[in-house]
Amino acid sequence: GEDVEQSLFLSVREGDSSVINCTYTDSSSTYLYWYKQEPGAGLQLLTYIFSNMDMKQDQRLTVLLNKKDKHLSLRIADTQTGDSAIYFCAEKVMGTDKLIFGTGTRLQVFP
Amino acid sequence: DTGVSQDPRHKITKRGQNVTFRCDPISEHNRLYWYRQTLGQGPEFLTYFQNEAQLEKSRLLSDRFSAERPKGSFSTLEIQRTEQGDSAMYLCASSLGGLETQYFGPGTRLLVL
Repeated sequence: GEDVEQSLFLSVREGDSSVINCTYTDSSSTYLYWYKQEPGAGLQLLTYIFSNMDMKQDQRLTVLLNKKDKHLSLRIADTQTGDSAIYFCAEKVMGTDKLIFGTGTRLQVFP
Repeated sequence: DTGVSQDPRHKITKRGQNVTFRCDPISEHNRLYWYRQTLGQGPEFLTYFQNEAQLEKSRLLSDRFSAERPKGSFSTLEIQRTEQGDSAMYLCASSLGGLETQYFGPGTRLLVL
């Protein structure tokens, strides 16, 4: 089945690292994505990982994929107040072009 | 700005009225997607096009919803006889191909009174 789960909230202090977790159920996922959404805005692509990779680093962002456990995480190093937003993970399942999104994790960064 | 654009950004309508939204994808992107996002939820897939052809429709897309992409460029999403449950953010995305990343527009926020 198609189901993507995320924890609802995360609160971190400015300068610390944030880790946002996501679990998915479909083992035929081809790509997994992280999108950021600020209040009232559309979705901004942050990064993505192909399902045969286990890690991808892009500046302050590190994506880890554990395909056996169907677990995806996004680590944001040196978290800033401008990182406060809702973060969505999404999977693309083989045989379809649609994205299946999680419910989103609201990240709050405090000084 | 060469990103995905959507018009209008906000729409307030009365129950029973028809509404139409427009999406202009990134130029040369042949795939165009519509999603719906209700408050506190992630986006849910509605439908997508490859050029003019509508290739997949979600069960969420009731017969009151119709989407078109007549010339393979911009797309319209029409909702007939709107209901309060249609209140949501309607997001459009485009991609260069099926395996390519989807880039989202700013969305159209619909409120049905």
